[in-house]
Amino acid sequence: SAVISQKPSRDICQRGTSLTIQCQVDSQVTMMFWYRQQPGQSLTLIATANQGSEATYESGFVIDKFPISRPNLTFSTLTVSNMSPEDSSIYLCSAIQGHGYTFGSGTRLTVV
Amino acid sequence: AQKVTQAQTEISVVEKEDVTLDCVYETRDTTYYLFWYKQPPSGELVFLIRRNSFDEQNEISGRYSWNFQKSTSSFNFTITASQVVDSAVYFCALSERNSGYSTLTFGKGTMLLVSP
Repeated sequence: SAVISQKPSRDICQRGTSLTIQCQVDSQVTMMFWYRQQPGQSLTLIATANQGSEATYESGFVIDKFPISRPNLTFSTLTVSNMSPEDSSIYLCSAIQGHGYTFGSGTRLTVV
Repeated sequence: AQKVTQAQTEISVVEKEDVTLDCVYETRDTTYYLFWYKQPPSGELVFLIRRNSFDEQNEISGRYSWNFQKSTSSFNFTITASQVVDSAVYFCALSERNSGYSTLTFGKGTMLLVSP
C-alpha cells in the first residue's frame, strides 16, 4: 500500500496566520482526503481532492478557510487560513488505493 | 447515510486481561468495507484490519481477533492478554460508495487504557 509523508508534524501558530500542510505519496493515487480531528474527537472529513479538479468539501467546511491543491497524482496540500484557537486540531491526509486507506502521520496544530 | 457507533468511550483494564471493543454500523449498501485503526498518543493512525461485507469469517492475528456479524451489524474487536502498549484510541470505520468513490466514516473511538 501507499506510504504518505506528511509535514509539518506539528506547529504552533499565531491567530490570524495561515499554515500549509503537505502530503507526498510514494505512488500515484486518484483520490486523496483531508481530515480534521479536534481534541478528544473522532476524524471528520474536510474534503476530497481529485487531481485536476476542484476539491469537494463536506458540509461545514469551505474553500476560503481550507484551500486545497492537488497538482499531481502524488501530492496535495491543505492550507488552514486565518487561524483561530478553534482550529487547533490534528490534520491528517489520506489516500485510497482500491478499498484500502493509508494515512499520513498527521499534523498537530496549536493556534495561540 | 452511513453511521458507525462505538458506544464505549473509555475502557480501563489491567495488563493480561482480555478486552472487547464494540462497533455497530449502519449502511444501506450491500457492498461495504469495515476497518479498525489504532491511534497511539503520537497521533498517527495505524491500520489493523479491513473486512468486506461478503466475508463474515472471523479473523485472528496474534493477540487480536475480530468478530463480524452482519445479522447484528457489528464488527467487534478483541484483544487477548492485553499489554500496556495496547493503550491507545481505537477507531472503527465504514467505507461505502458515494458518488462513484468511497468515503470513510469513523466512529467516535474507544480509548483503551491498559495499566500494569
